[in-house]
Amino acid sequence: DAGVIQSPRHEVTEMGQEVTLRCKPISGHDYLFWYRQTMMRGLELLIYFNNNVPIDDSGMPEDRFSAKMPNASFSTLKIQPSEPRDSAVYFCASSPTGLNTIYFGEGSWLTVV
Amino acid sequence: GQQVMQIPQYQHVQEGEDFTTYCNSSTTLSNIQWYKQRPGGHPVFLIQLVKSGEVKKQKRLTFQFGEAKKNSSLHITATQTTDVGTYFCAGRGLTGGGNKLTFGTGTQLKVEL
Repeated sequence: DAGVIQSPRHEVTEMGQEVTLRCKPISGHDYLFWYRQTMMRGLELLIYFNNNVPIDDSGMPEDRFSAKMPNASFSTLKIQPSEPRDSAVYFCASSPTGLNTIYFGEGSWLTVV
Repeated sequence: GQQVMQIPQYQHVQEGEDFTTYCNSSTTLSNIQWYKQRPGGHPVFLIQLVKSGEVKKQKRLTFQFGEAKKNSSLHITATQTTDVGTYFCAGRGLTGGGNKLTFGTGTQLKVEL
């Protein structure tokens, strides 16, 4: 069974450019989470969805960040415009019920120069 | 908001030595999970504890949930090089927060031969 699939795995972009990260959750999982990991701030929850509906976006750092989940098998996290301080590993994760195990994707390593 | 701290931040041990990481929450938790992240990898679920005072074992790993459900610990007996990685606890609050899982700051374990 395929796990959570993220793309791209690595991206290097210039400051000011738009970045779109993509995620395909595990089939049948009702919850999808976007996390950001940095050395300074650790693992932070940015936003999570339940049945494609955003439930809590209080972790989204600012208006430059947006996330969508148009259907049960696809989500995007967009940063526009990107800044060097956005450099981090962005993890997408999914969970069957939201109360149990969270399954992480392999992450998207973003570098903004 | 809920904060989850872990100590120590880093730990270097010789192979065969024991290792313990401690997790403390600012609020009472409904449950706590533990994850392991190998260098360059993604967090992988290890276990979930739900009951006050609960103790669970996985081979050389022993997990404990505090009586007050505000702290937890992970103890590894006779570490091996395969134990290298960062160990995170993650907790859900009792009230509010929905299915929001707050990750601890993590303990990075290095095992030397």
